[in-house]
Amino acid sequence: QKEVEQNSGPLSVPEGAIASLNCTYSDRVSQSFFWYRQYSGKSPELIMSIYSNGDKEDGRFTAQLNKASQYVSLLIRDSQPSDSATYLCAVNDYKLSFGAGTTVTVRA
Amino acid sequence: DTEVTQTPKHLVMGMTNKKSLKCEQHMGHRAMYWYKQKAKKPPELMFVYSYEKLSINESVPSRFSPECPNSSLLNLHLHALQPEDSALYLCASSQLTGGQETQYFGPGTRLLVL
Repeated sequence: QKEVEQNSGPLSVPEGAIASLNCTYSDRVSQSFFWYRQYSGKSPELIMSIYSNGDKEDGRFTAQLNKASQYVSLLIRDSQPSDSATYLCAVNDYKLSFGAGTTVTVRA
Repeated sequence: DTEVTQTPKHLVMGMTNKKSLKCEQHMGHRAMYWYKQKAKKPPELMFVYSYEKLSINESVPSRFSPECPNSSLLNLHLHALQPEDSALYLCASSQLTGGQETQYFGPGTRLLVL
């Protein structure tokens, strides 16, 4: 059974700080990894995709992938109140498997 | 443009009603998906269509019936639903690239079954 696990939340960070989200997955053959942001009552919105080991940066977001450790993370730098949402880690093999999500609250 | 549209936004139906949810994308994606999401839970995959053919059915009850009339449209026909079927129903689409498909979600239909 494929599993995707995220660090339990909720995660509360002050405005301007770095929010760090972690995710592990059980299936070694997984090839593609995604972070989605979901605001309350809205649908998931893709914020990052990563396929190769290492770091990928997009604005204030950095995704890190380590396939040997089966670990993917997301860093949000200079956190803003608008970053308050649930972040879903997703791993794609023949289908997209989601973690339970980590709820982030950025305190002004 | 990564837009997936869904109609209606909200739907209230009785347990004896028949209704349909609609999803549309014009990104040329050849895979389309239906998910169900309950409050504070991640999306759960229901169905996958690849090249307009049903490729995955995650043991969904027959009261949910998907249909893919063409490469841009995906429907979910609902009949004799139960109150526990109340949820956010999400449609997604992706290109088929052999393992690196990125799924884009529509805004969802919030369904309430009375």
